[in-house]
Amino acid sequence: KQEVTQIPAALSVPEGENLVLNCSFTDSAIYNLQWFRQDPGKGLTSLLLIQSSQREQTSGRLNASLDKSSGRSTLYIAASQPGDSATYLCAPEAQKLVFGQGTRLTINP
Amino acid sequence: DTGVSQDPRHKITKRGQNVTFRCDPISEHNRLYWYRQTLGQGPEFLTYFQNEAQLEKSRLLSDRFSAERPKGSFSTLEIQRTEQGDSAMYLCASSTLSGNTIYFGEGSWLTVV
Repeated sequence: KQEVTQIPAALSVPEGENLVLNCSFTDSAIYNLQWFRQDPGKGLTSLLLIQSSQREQTSGRLNASLDKSSGRSTLYIAASQPGDSATYLCAPEAQKLVFGQGTRLTINP
Repeated sequence: DTGVSQDPRHKITKRGQNVTFRCDPISEHNRLYWYRQTLGQGPEFLTYFQNEAQLEKSRLLSDRFSAERPKGSFSTLEIQRTEQGDSAMYLCASSTLSGNTIYFGEGSWLTVV
């Protein structure tokens, strides 16, 4: 059974900092891994999808890496902005997505 | 492409009543997923369909829960004899094939009083 852990559970940083969110998973037999953003009371917005054969993906200020063999992924956010404040969820997929509890990120102006 | 649509967005019901949620996936998406999310937790998988076939159901999906996707387009999730523990947000998602980006709707909030 896939288990996903995200560290830290919460993070508060001043605007402009670069930061890293960590995700670990127990079963490396995955098709891909997605990172999502969730604003309070809202659905999930897909940020990045990394196929199992890839090492990383970039979109704007976001960069996600995947090390399938060690069961780890990281999401790097450059030059953080207050609008980045949200909960970030990673989810490896093998037929279905399995989620961790997420990292609640607060960017202070 | 109007995104994944869920209805109703909010539902308050008395314990013991039945409720039904509807999900309209992105057009031509073969896969449709249902998840449940409680406050402070990540989404938990309930079930998924490929076209009209229900391929997997979580143990979370007790016999009070039933999901259908009769024509491989929209899906419904029905909860019978609701309990206070059913209070959560029910999320629907869709994708073209396994391994591709999965898109979520805005969710349907259920409050059982």
